[in-house]
Amino acid sequence: GAGVSQTPSNKVTEKGKYVELRCDPISGHTALYWYRQSLGQGPEFLIYFQGTGAADDSGLPNDRFFAVRPEGSVSTLKIQRTERGDSAVYLCASSLQGLATDTQYFGPGTRLTVL
Amino acid sequence: AQSVTQLDSQVPVFEEAPVELRCNYSSSVSVYLFWYVQYPNQGLQLLLKYLSGSTLVESINGFEAEFNKSQTSFHLRKPSVHISDTAEYFCAVNRGTGFQKLVFGTGTRLLVSP
Repeated sequence: GAGVSQTPSNKVTEKGKYVELRCDPISGHTALYWYRQSLGQGPEFLIYFQGTGAADDSGLPNDRFFAVRPEGSVSTLKIQRTERGDSAVYLCASSLQGLATDTQYFGPGTRLTVL
Repeated sequence: AQSVTQLDSQVPVFEEAPVELRCNYSSSVSVYLFWYVQYPNQGLQLLLKYLSGSTLVESINGFEAEFNKSQTSFHLRKPSVHISDTAEYFCAVNRGTGFQKLVFGTGTRLLVSP
């Protein structure tokens, strides 16, 4: 079956611009996660959705970052007033029920470059 | 806060040699442990995970990892590697029931040469 998909695969923007990154989880998965992976680092947690609600947004670095999942499926990560330090690969994952024991299935990521 | 340490950023080995990729985590009452693999130009894939029970867990492609509570380690091993095992390997921990986020190590790049 289809895995987690993310669009765009690459996004180049200028400092100060607004960007939206989209994630399409595996069908039927209620939990959705966003992570950020900087060069030479492991993925870092940003936010976790259970259904439509953000159950844990403790990883969002500041109020320029916001994410939504209005219908409990597709999610959009929104970054306002982008900064060069926001350049990274943004990963989305989904899991069946959001249990700690569940496997998280990752998408291919969106590489964001802020010039 | 939970943390994961992968001391080796890169491990070069020859084909058919054994390999061990090290992973240590900061202690917690209970943890779930994961190894993910990222092949070139691909997304992260689960390799294996420890939830409970037997401390030795195996993957379908010959890797195994052993949970050692006293040493807070979850090292990944394979007795004989293939060229196709060349990839980045990430160890991750979940603090257990009630927590959903994974905390990842910085990754170990396994380079297998002929």
